[in-house]
Amino acid sequence: IQLTQSPSSLSASVGDRVTITCRASQDVSSSLAWYQQKPGKAPKLLIYVASTLQSGVPPRFSGSRSGTDFTLTISSLQPEDIATYYCQQLHMYPITFGPGTKVDIK
Amino acid sequence: EVQLVESGGALVQPGGSLRLSCVASEFIFDSHWMAWVRQAPGKGLEWVANINEDGTERNYVDSVKGRFTISRDKAKNSLSLQMNSLRAEDTAVYYCATKPRPGLGHDYWGQGTLVTVSS
Repeated sequence: IQLTQSPSSLSASVGDRVTITCRASQDVSSSLAWYQQKPGKAPKLLIYVASTLQSGVPPRFSGSRSGTDFTLTISSLQPEDIATYYCQQLHMYPITFGPGTKVDIK
Repeated sequence: EVQLVESGGALVQPGGSLRLSCVASEFIFDSHWMAWVRQAPGKGLEWVANINEDGTERNYVDSVKGRFTISRDKAKNSLSLQMNSLRAEDTAVYYCATKPRPGLGHDYWGQGTLVTVSS
């Protein structure tokens, strides 16, 4: 299953609403997760089963699903959110990741 | 606190072998699937393999099938990845990660260990 992410990168101001889209090449049900990765660090799970917030993750992060399209939203971008964000499907083997979306501050 | 600690990364020649290890906190190890995820320098994430709680199910990405073997040792709370016939394209940071059950995300990750395949 191929995952495409858009945009590949974005620049936004602190306080902006940021939306990242992940499209699956076929049905993955709701078995989709979102990760945040900062340079030199391991990925961190943000969202699982498309819309469930992982424990300890700020509520400004949210996820949604519409068919095979998935969205990660940051409601108010903070400086500490500068990172690369990846989607991942866990519906079918091999498990696959999207190519990533790099987010920085304008 | 949950901890995953990888070791075993090194510089190895093409065609060589290497064994990676990951030691996990006991309560996580007993109840979670375990996986290896890699990241080539400057590239994205690639899932490599996983194994279920009792070691009866193993899955691999096509590019490593027949070359890599994932295993787990309950007595040592340890996950391993035996890598044979290594290629330059296997060069990456290898992360150990866990997930509570199929379909859910990887909730805990190690710090990663670097494997470099080069002559």
